[in-house]
Parts: sequence; C-alpha cells; structure tokens
Amino acid sequence: QVQLQESGPGLVKPSETLSLTCTVSGGSINGFYWSWIRQPPGKGLEWIGYIYYSGTTNYNPSLKSRVTASVDTSKNQFSLKLSSVTAADTAVYYCARLTGIPVPGTSYSYHYIDIWGKGTTVTVSS
Amino acid sequence: DIVMTQSPLSLPVTPGEPASISCRSSQSLLHSNGYHYLDWYLQKPGQSPQVLIYKGSNRASGVPDRFSGSGSGTDFTLKISRVEADDVGVYYCMQTLQSRTFGQGTKVEIK
Repeated sequence: QVQLQESGPGLVKPSETLSLTCTVSGGSINGFYWSWIRQPPGKGLEWIGYIYYSGTTNYNPSLKSRVTASVDTSKNQFSLKLSSVTAADTAVYYCARLTGIPVPGTSYSYHYIDIWGKGTTVTVSS
Repeated sequence: DIVMTQSPLSLPVTPGEPASISCRSSQSLLHSNGYHYLDWYLQKPGQSPQVLIYKGSNRASGVPDRFSGSGSGTDFTLKISRVEADDVGVYYCMQTLQSRTFGQGTKVEIK
C-alpha cells in the first residue's frame, strides 16, 4: 500500500530555511493532493498547506509568506520549504495524502487526509 | 479565518460506556453542494493521526461502526457508542471549507 516517508535535517538554525522532502512509495504521486501538517511539542496539529501533483498550491494564510511547496513527479516526491524559521517552528512535521471523493452532480471532489507519514522532528536552534 | 473549538479538552471515559466530543466552527461549514466540510481524526499515543470521519458523517474505510459523526452548520459531534481501551488518544476535528483548520484536540483517556 502507499507509504509516505519524510526526510530532511533534524536541526535548523534560526533565520534559515527548513527543507523537507516526502517520498511516496507503493503508489503514484499523480492524481492526488499532498499536504504538510506540523505539531509543536505537546501541542495540537497545524495545517501548513497542500500541493496538487500538477503544482497548484494552497497554504495556511498565517504561514503563506514563508512557505513554498513543490513536487517532483519523476521522483515521486514532494517538498516543503519554510523560510526565516524561529524556535516557534520547532515541531514534528508530517506529510500526508489527500484522497478525493467525487461530489455527485459536480466536477469536483471532497478531499480528506487518508494517509500520513510517520513524521519527522525538526528543531530550530543555534 | 475559520476557528474551530472543541470541548471538552479532556475526557475520562469508562470502557463500554458512550462518549461524545463537540466541535464548533466560527462560521457554517455547509457547502453549497449540501455537504458539511468537517473531518475527524484520532491520534493514538506515539502515532500519526488517522481519519475517522469525513464530510461530517461518513466513516472512513476500516473505521469501526461504534464511531459516528453528526451535526450541521457550526455544531458537530463525534460519538463513540461503546468506548474500548484502544480508543484512547487525542481527537481532532478539522474544517476543510476554507483552507484547513484543526480544533485544539480532545484527549480521551480511560478512567
């Protein structure tokens, strides 16, 4: 079945850019939306954004100025860059897949997260 | 931005008994297509979250039928008909109508 694996540096210095990659295995990245979610230590979930396999993106307004998502269909990977990080960006970062349920009578679908990666811890510290 | 508010934030439960979690949104989650754009997720201890309910009341594949979602407009409820020990963890609602926003989470633990 489809599995997701996050990878990237576990330690990032303040003011630098956090970069993470999610590798999709057991299935194709094509045809799906892919998301990033994070969870600060001991806190709840925060949605960061999603990217369609074609490259269309949608970001959390509170992070939009610092977030860039990208996709590499040839590698079956998608990536996240978060610039100008501070200690508040310390969190477990999850990648996830959104699956679509067609909405009858329309040309679009309802999307929910059906597969999550195991998460990777990123600490922002000098 | 749509703000999601869950209650209670902590819920001690007795196995075999029912349990209920409330989720309220700062604005209606009813889409013009008639569906409510609200999901429920469970994060078991030490694990990634997993979907329970999507579109307000649809159980995801493999989710036991003791879990049910209901509600409309701005008020939604997740019910567990008979709690089992394996149901412990933090439950999150998430609106999907405008961008996405999670509730604060409700920690369910066995009494």
